[in-house]
Amino acid sequence: GNSVTQMEGPVTLSEEAFLTINCTYTATGYPSLFWYVQYPGEGLQLLLKATKADDKGSNKGFEATYRKETTSFHLEKGSVQVSDSAVYFCALTHSSASKIIFGSGTRLSIRP
Amino acid sequence: SQTIHQWPATLVQPVGSPLSLECTVEGTSNPNLYWYRQAAGRGLQLLFYSVGIGQISSEVPQNLSASRPQDRQFILSSKKLLLSDSGFYLCAWRQNYNSPLHFGNGTRLTVT
Repeated sequence: GNSVTQMEGPVTLSEEAFLTINCTYTATGYPSLFWYVQYPGEGLQLLLKATKADDKGSNKGFEATYRKETTSFHLEKGSVQVSDSAVYFCALTHSSASKIIFGSGTRLSIRP
Repeated sequence: SQTIHQWPATLVQPVGSPLSLECTVEGTSNPNLYWYRQAAGRGLQLLFYSVGIGQISSEVPQNLSASRPQDRQFILSSKKLLLSDSGFYLCAWRQNYNSPLHFGNGTRLTVT
């Protein structure tokens, strides 16, 4: 079946550090891939998406590239800020599936 | 534009009391609707989803139920709450299987 695996947290970085949160998936065919962000006490917000191989999603300085050969969708940011502290979820959906599959979430904390 | 409303934002209920959480979506028709629960510091657990009025799929057998009395209204209910029902409840919608999910702001339920 379809599944998403993302790196365990928490991840703690200093401000302006480079960020990578790993995400790999298992799916048949060509799923769409997403990154969501959840700030404390809030619902999830869509951060970025990619719908086909080699697509790069980007938003707010974050990027992720859909790599079919490695079945990965790693989230990156060149210079993190304290305001990026949140929980990040990788997810996939498939045109034939009624459910979105979420990873377990990665908590990110940025030190000033 | 589409919006999702979820209420109440917080709720404290005694064990054995009933529950009703409401979610409505505006600006779209025939959305797919979802209820998730998130325990403290944990990932997302899909509880129910609906692809149309009166169509409810349950993911986890428990003392919760869901109903969709109108196209854009999704209700989560319980006749008797348990302590283990405490958590953060999130409603979400999407237009079709290739679309991302859009989440409400969540309801923090504490069962005492």
